[in-house]
Amino acid sequence: SQQGEEDPQALSIQEGENATMNCSYKTSINNLQWYRQNSGRGLVHLILIRSNEREKHSGRLRVTLDTSKKSSSLLITASRAADTASYFCATDVLKFGGDDKIIFGKGTRLHILP
Amino acid sequence: DAGITQSPRHKVTETGTPVTLRCHQTENHRYMYWYRQDPGHGLRLIHYSYGVKDTDKGEVSDGYSVSRSKTEDFLLTLESATSSQTSVYFCAISGLAGGFSYNEQFFGPGTRLTVL
Repeated sequence: SQQGEEDPQALSIQEGENATMNCSYKTSINNLQWYRQNSGRGLVHLILIRSNEREKHSGRLRVTLDTSKKSSSLLITASRAADTASYFCATDVLKFGGDDKIIFGKGTRLHILP
Repeated sequence: DAGITQSPRHKVTETGTPVTLRCHQTENHRYMYWYRQDPGHGLRLIHYSYGVKDTDKGEVSDGYSVSRSKTEDFLLTLESATSSQTSVYFCAISGLAGGFSYNEQFFGPGTRLTVL
């Protein structure tokens, strides 16, 4: 079963509007990350939030984490055409022998309309 | 972008043939990973490496093997390719180097593999 699940699966908004994506997870985490993937490209790391943090900002990105609800949200403000991409959350639940791995959700496809 | 390259970028092969994909990094990162990405499944970990000659299985390792003889290279081998292994394969790296935290991963551009 998937550890992180993004919601919605797909989102279309007008350029300039804000885009919000959510991620829910099942078990306790040490940190949660968000990645972006443009069509035909590899994933790009956007932001990492630790379990003891509630909110983090990076440019037009704002990430929140609610460990009591086991959920996170990614807000992109003043969206641009270049923000069209898939967005994935990733959590570091599984640690085989203490090694560093993360589990990705299935992603939210964001489409910014001109 | 972190210095990660994958080769080949595209490959078409026939069922039953062996295939090797290469991931090369110039970042001296400790950890290297192979993922596959399929519609409806997101990214799934195949194998990973935590050092030279140190590898372990991920969640979808059946039918795949890996090797890491040098820090910079991580090879993924399909001993006998099947149509179910048609996918896009991504290599990723992570580790303490240049200020990167352990958990941030940096991805290569991907290899699109088609098994006929």
